[in-house]
Amino acid sequence: GDSVTQMEGPVTLSEEAFLTINCTYTATGYPSLFWYVQYPGEGLQLLLKATKADDKGSNKGFEATYRKETTSFHLEKGSVQVSDSAVYFCALRDNYGQNFVFGPGTRLSVLP
Amino acid sequence: SQTIHQWPATLVQPVGSPLSLECTVEGTSNPNLYWYRQAAGRGLQLLFYSVGIGQISSEVPQNLSASRPQDRQFILSSKKLLLSDSGFYLCAWSVLASIEQFFGPGTRLTVL
Repeated sequence: GDSVTQMEGPVTLSEEAFLTINCTYTATGYPSLFWYVQYPGEGLQLLLKATKADDKGSNKGFEATYRKETTSFHLEKGSVQVSDSAVYFCALRDNYGQNFVFGPGTRLSVLP
Repeated sequence: SQTIHQWPATLVQPVGSPLSLECTVEGTSNPNLYWYRQAAGRGLQLLFYSVGIGQISSEVPQNLSASRPQDRQFILSSKKLLLSDSGFYLCAWSVLASIEQFFGPGTRLTVL
């Protein structure tokens, strides 16, 4: 079946450092890909998405590019802030639109 | 605009007691509805999803059940809680017209 693999962390960075959180997936066909963010004690919020190969999703300084050849959707940000501290989930939605699969989440802590 | 509500926000229950968590969605019709559980420091586990009134699919065998008595209402229940039922419960919805999934604020359940 479909699956999502991501680095589990925790990842600890200093403010203004560069962030990469790796995500790879296994799926049949052409899934849609997502990054969600969860701040402490809250539900998940959609951060960005991409629906086809070579699409780049971006939001709040975060970016991720849908790479079909490597089945990856790595999350990047050039300069992190303390307020970016959260858990980040990579996810996919299959072709039929009913099945969402989430990675285990990566906890990011940004220190001032 | 669409809104998703969950209540209660927090709940502390003794082992063996019943459970009822409610999720309602506003501003959309015939959504797909989902219940997830997130154990402490862990990823998301899909418990149930529903594509329509009275239609429930269970992803894992467990002590919990779900019901969908109305189009935009999704209820998670248990007759007798176990310690292992503790966790953060998230309700989510999606529609085919929009590829992403939208999450509620979550309910933190502690079973003592």
